[in-house]
Amino acid sequence: KQEVTQIPAALSVPEGENLVLNCSFTDSAIYNLQWFRQDPGKGLTSLLLIQSSQREQTSGRLNASLDKSSGRSTLYIAASQPGDSATYLCAVGNRDDKIIFGKGTRLHILP
Amino acid sequence: NAGVMQNPRHLVRRRGQEARLRCSPMKGHSHVYWYRQLPEEGLKFMVYLQKENIIDESGMPKERFSAEFPKEGPSILRIQQVVRGDSAAYFCASSLQGQLYEQYFGPGTRLTVT
Repeated sequence: KQEVTQIPAALSVPEGENLVLNCSFTDSAIYNLQWFRQDPGKGLTSLLLIQSSQREQTSGRLNASLDKSSGRSTLYIAASQPGDSATYLCAVGNRDDKIIFGKGTRLHILP
Repeated sequence: NAGVMQNPRHLVRRRGQEARLRCSPMKGHSHVYWYRQLPEEGLKFMVYLQKENIIDESGMPKERFSAEFPKEGPSILRIQQVVRGDSAAYFCASSLQGQLYEQYFGPGTRLTVT
């Protein structure tokens, strides 16, 4: 059974710093992996989608990597800003056609 | 192009009442998914529907919960005889193709059972 873990559960970082959020999954037979952002009381916004054949995806200050063999993905945020404060969710697209979500990392960027 | 729309955004029900949550997918999307997010928990898949068909309901509780996506109109998630444990945020997502394609999420309906 696929399990997705995100560490840390919460993170506070001074503005301007670069940071890395981690996601691990137990079954490496995945179709894709997606990173979402969720603001308090809001829905999810897709940030990056990495197909299983890819190693990374980049969008602006965000870079997501995928290492299927080790069951890990990272989301790198460069030059963090207060507007980056949110919960970041990792979701794995499984070969049984399910999407399995982690519990998220609550990120707080300190002005 | 409007995104995924859900209404109501907030819903308060007393124990034993019925809750109806609506979801209108993005224009052109015929695949709809419902997820539940309990406090301090991740999103959990509930059900996957295409127009007039339930494709996968493996995440739905066996009793009191039902979902439909009629030919015309929004998808409906219906919870009968709500209990306090049903209090959660319910998210709908839609995609152009199947589950493993990019899903676009609505803002959610926050259900509170008093």
